[in-house]
Amino acid sequence: QVQLQESGPGLVKPSETLSLTCTVSGGSFTNYYWTWIRQPPGQGLEWIGYIYHSGYTNYKSSLKSRVAISLDTSKNHFSLKLNSVTAADTAVYFCARADSLMGYYFYMDVWGKGTAVTVSS
Amino acid sequence: QSVLTQPPSASGTPGQRVTISCSGSSSNLGTNTVNWYQQLPGTAPKLLIYNDNKRPSGVPDRFSGSESGTSASLAISGLQSEDEADYYCSAWDDRLNGPVFGGGTKLTVL
Repeated sequence: QVQLQESGPGLVKPSETLSLTCTVSGGSFTNYYWTWIRQPPGQGLEWIGYIYHSGYTNYKSSLKSRVAISLDTSKNHFSLKLNSVTAADTAVYFCARADSLMGYYFYMDVWGKGTAVTVSS
Repeated sequence: QSVLTQPPSASGTPGQRVTISCSGSSSNLGTNTVNWYQQLPGTAPKLLIYNDNKRPSGVPDRFSGSESGTSASLAISGLQSEDEADYYCSAWDDRLNGPVFGGGTKLTVL
């Protein structure tokens, strides 16, 4: 049973970098897309980006200049860095495992519980 | 503004059948499969339906999905109080080169 758990600071100052880690237990990184999604308070879900087990990354275009996702299989985790944050980045951040055949299907079948991040001075 | 369009709310009484719609375009639902997620209050989303109409292990067969052209629907039959949640549709978008979501539908069991 694969489980994901997010960790990181719950409060980040404006203009600084948000850093989160997702620890993966009970499964392999191979052949999956390791994904970050966020949900601003009272709003819907927004895909941030993903990293494939090979290291290939893909980011939402509007966030591309500020985001980086990395993978460390030796530590069983993948990470999110979002720089130059503003109040608009305040959200619950979820990590998830995705299965995909590009151009046809992409679904997230395992999710972490989420971690709330507030951007405020 | 979400790429996929869902009604903001839906409701039904216990035992009833409820459907939630999801509308997209040729670059997402018109070409790729749709997934549905259930988000109970204060929890993470859970995969409910994938690849248009497949249920992950453990999801009751009261939940079913269908897709036609650039639209999709989630049907819930035999509505139960524990079905009260937010429901999101999602699909890969070829033009945006990533997965997109609907704005979510809040289901209330009256």
